[in-house]
Amino acid sequence: AQSVTQLGSHVSVSEGALVLLRCNYSSSVPPYLFWYVQYPNQGLQLLLKYTSAATLVKGINGFEAEFKKSETSFHLTKPSAHMSDAAEYFCAVREDSNYQLIWGAGTKLIIKP
Amino acid sequence: DAGVIQSPRHEVTEMGQEVTLRCKPISGHDYLFWYRQTMMRGLELLIYFNNNVPIDDSGMPEDRFSAKMPNASFSTLKIQPSEPRDSAVYFCASRPTGATGELFFGEGSRLTVL
Repeated sequence: AQSVTQLGSHVSVSEGALVLLRCNYSSSVPPYLFWYVQYPNQGLQLLLKYTSAATLVKGINGFEAEFKKSETSFHLTKPSAHMSDAAEYFCAVREDSNYQLIWGAGTKLIIKP
Repeated sequence: DAGVIQSPRHEVTEMGQEVTLRCKPISGHDYLFWYRQTMMRGLELLIYFNNNVPIDDSGMPEDRFSAKMPNASFSTLKIQPSEPRDSAVYFCASRPTGATGELFFGEGSRLTVL
């Protein structure tokens, strides 16, 4: 069965600094992978997705993620953090048997001024 | 296009009362999901429907919880009787068949049971 691990329940970076949120997955087949963002008091919205095309995926708001099969990772990055990036970020993998999403526990991104 | 619409956005009720949460999925989406989010347990899948039929309700915590989807454009999640431990944010999400698996979420219903 697929699973997702997000390292760090909280990540704190200074405004303008690099953002790196880590996600590792387990899957016996080529996975479909997703990053979602949840701003305070809102629902989850899709940031980006990997669907076995290009390994470097660009998303909204300047975020991107790289699929690395050898490391079973799909880390999320942004070169320069902005205060508006403060939110919770969820990594998910699509379960192959029924297309359901298996969710990571989430990482809260805190931006220091 | 309208997204997933949930109501109410906020509900405060007393223990023992019945609570009904409502969801209108995106038109054309034939999968509908109910999730619960709490600080302690994170995001939990409660139940999902395909073409209005419940497919997997193994995440429903107990018999006090029930969900229905009488037609393609409406679903309800009911808690009767409610308890303080049911306090959470409840999300509805939908997706079409044959897509990558991407879910479209509503804004959520924040439930507080006193």
